[in-house]
Amino acid sequence: DVKVTQSSRYLVKRTGEKVFLECVQDMDHENMFWYRQDPGLGLRLIYFSYDVKMKEKGDIPEGYSVSREKKERFSLILESASTNQTSMYLCASSPQILEPEANYGYTFGSGTRLTVV
Amino acid sequence: GQNIDQPTEMTATEGAIVQINCTYQTSGFNGLFWYQQHAGEAPTFLSYNVLDGLEEKGRFSSFLSRSKGYSYLLLKELQMKDSASYLCAVLHTGGFKTIFGAGTRLFVKA
Repeated sequence: DVKVTQSSRYLVKRTGEKVFLECVQDMDHENMFWYRQDPGLGLRLIYFSYDVKMKEKGDIPEGYSVSREKKERFSLILESASTNQTSMYLCASSPQILEPEANYGYTFGSGTRLTVV
Repeated sequence: GQNIDQPTEMTATEGAIVQINCTYQTSGFNGLFWYQQHAGEAPTFLSYNVLDGLEEKGRFSSFLSRSKGYSYLLLKELQMKDSASYLCAVLHTGGFKTIFGAGTRLFVKA
């Protein structure tokens, strides 16, 4: 069964800490994404990567950075955690090109619920 | 700007049919997704429309009109387990980036 695995389900960190959220996929997908999900706002794209060592800013990259040293792993880094980064973080992956007949969309990890206190 | 609108909540009865609408205005369009998300879980893929028309998959169907910037998800023979949030999402031109709506919470009552 294909999977996207996020290292932690729940995380509590202090303001100012550096936080690493890890995501690993076993589907040999080229594209990987980090979203955060907040009530009433839906999923918002933080960063994405379409190849190893490549990264692109999404809609809300401020306060975050990413690392993709290997194809299967995409890390999200909160350089100095703040309380407004308390959220559910979702990692997703997809193949390079979504063909109309492919019909499978993104595969999401189970999410990391991060609380910054 | 980019905007995806869908109703916040809907309630329907077990065994009935429900239609969840989605309108979008985005700077690029390469297809539209519907995802299902149960509380506390990750979204799971339901459907992908890239051409106009209706795509049917079992109890779920999805419709797209690109000229109107409009889609709907149709759920038939509702079951209690269909209580979940349904997310409408637009895939940007180039295929790299997907923009999500805030989701519609569907409550199925007995």
